[in-house]
Amino acid sequence: DIQMTQSPSSVSASVGDRVTITCRASQDINAWLAWYQQRPGKAPKLLIYAASSLLSGVPSRFSGSGSGTDFSLTISSLQPEDFATYYCQQANSFPLTFGGGTKVEIK
Amino acid sequence: EVQLVQSGAEVKKPGESLKISCKASGYTFSTYWIGWVRQMPGKGLEWMGIIYPGDSDIRDNPSFRGQVTISADKSISTAYLQWSSLKASDTAIYYCARQLSSDQTSPFQYWGQGTLVTVSS
Repeated sequence: DIQMTQSPSSVSASVGDRVTITCRASQDINAWLAWYQQRPGKAPKLLIYAASSLLSGVPSRFSGSGSGTDFSLTISSLQPEDFATYYCQQANSFPLTFGGGTKVEIK
Repeated sequence: EVQLVQSGAEVKKPGESLKISCKASGYTFSTYWIGWVRQMPGKGLEWMGIIYPGDSDIRDNPSFRGQVTISADKSISTAYLQWSSLKASDTAIYYCARQLSSDQTSPFQYWGQGTLVTVSS
């Protein structure tokens, strides 16, 4: 199985801050990476697919980059509704695996 | 509008059987892979597997093989997750989700609301 490692596991930030979360795959997954946001008590929400493609309707302050084994999700200016847990997922080979999550908390 | 509506919360005893459901609407059910994700209390997401309702082809996670059964009934646009003998460690929220595209490795775009399964003696 491909292991997905996210860092940090949690980050404290303020409204307006720029936040970057990283995700590393245990082997080359090309650009087959997705990012999800999960708010407490809610189902996950797909934000980005194919490493950098923003899903329609997702605010442009979210962006993704990377290829191969190293990826990142950046929130350019954190908004109150962005405080949540973020997960990466590799979509290269079965079983499709998720990272452990990064919790973005209010400073 | 694509919607996935899951069956309600369940409380079961160890050793009991269970089948939870996910009713899809708003798209042609048989032409998109649909799958299941586990979230144990306070933990992250775990990909369990997907099924193509058109021909019941399954891609599963070996970690869950033999523990659960994924199935679908395309005549009623419903996917299922089934246990024959529950354990306390099966306590979790289970989400069904539909993929972004018809590609079997596509990420999950649409999600159900989740079904909480509690297994306790």
